[in-house]
Amino acid sequence: GAGVSQTPSNKVTEKGKYVELRCDPISGHTALYWYRQSLGQGPEFLIYFQGTGAADDSGLPNDRFFAVRPEGSVSTLKIQRTERGDSAVYLCASSLDRSTDTQYFGPGTRLTVL
Amino acid sequence: QQQVKQSPQSLIVQKGGISIINCAYENTAFDYFPWYQQFPGKGPALLIAIRPDVSEKKEGRFTISFNKSAKQFSLHIMDSQPGDSATYFCAARTQGGSEKLVFGKGTKLTVNP
Repeated sequence: GAGVSQTPSNKVTEKGKYVELRCDPISGHTALYWYRQSLGQGPEFLIYFQGTGAADDSGLPNDRFFAVRPEGSVSTLKIQRTERGDSAVYLCASSLDRSTDTQYFGPGTRLTVL
Repeated sequence: QQQVKQSPQSLIVQKGGISIINCAYENTAFDYFPWYQQFPGKGPALLIAIRPDVSEKKEGRFTISFNKSAKQFSLHIMDSQPGDSATYFCAARTQGGSEKLVFGKGTKLTVNP
């Protein structure tokens, strides 16, 4: 594709529910990142994949958050037992490989937990 | 702990003026410093970036000035235009680690016609 795509663009859920957010990186990009952006703040790192493996998950706030990238392309961020504090825009970015500087961001998924 | 401090939080400039946004960092292991531009409802887009072995980088109307000894870097937008109105984020990255970007809190720039 032309750029990083994320689905859905908006997700409204109730407290306690489970949600999945999807990221399609630029074709051929081996590095994939998830960030979370709260209102009025800069993006905060969550997790980084190099290929299929999570190379750094130090930004995941707790064990309710999990992400996978089983075939080294599409990634899914999974949030269990959602809380109101999880409401934010979840951004995905990709880069050609770990030695390439530029990270290309998708438009994000706006998650609202009621 | 905020690793990259950005100022000002908001900035209003007249068309044709110069916009200046500043960032400071503490981690001397940072080796790549990009600036991202974000419009409402969109993801951040890379504007310009610099490495610490260079003191200045210019691309069109956008210039990064980098002061390694002071651990500061800034974005200058010359001849600011209303279309430049957006939120700007500085960021930093440590190579050899996870390549994750650490972002500042952002500066909302408004360029009045």
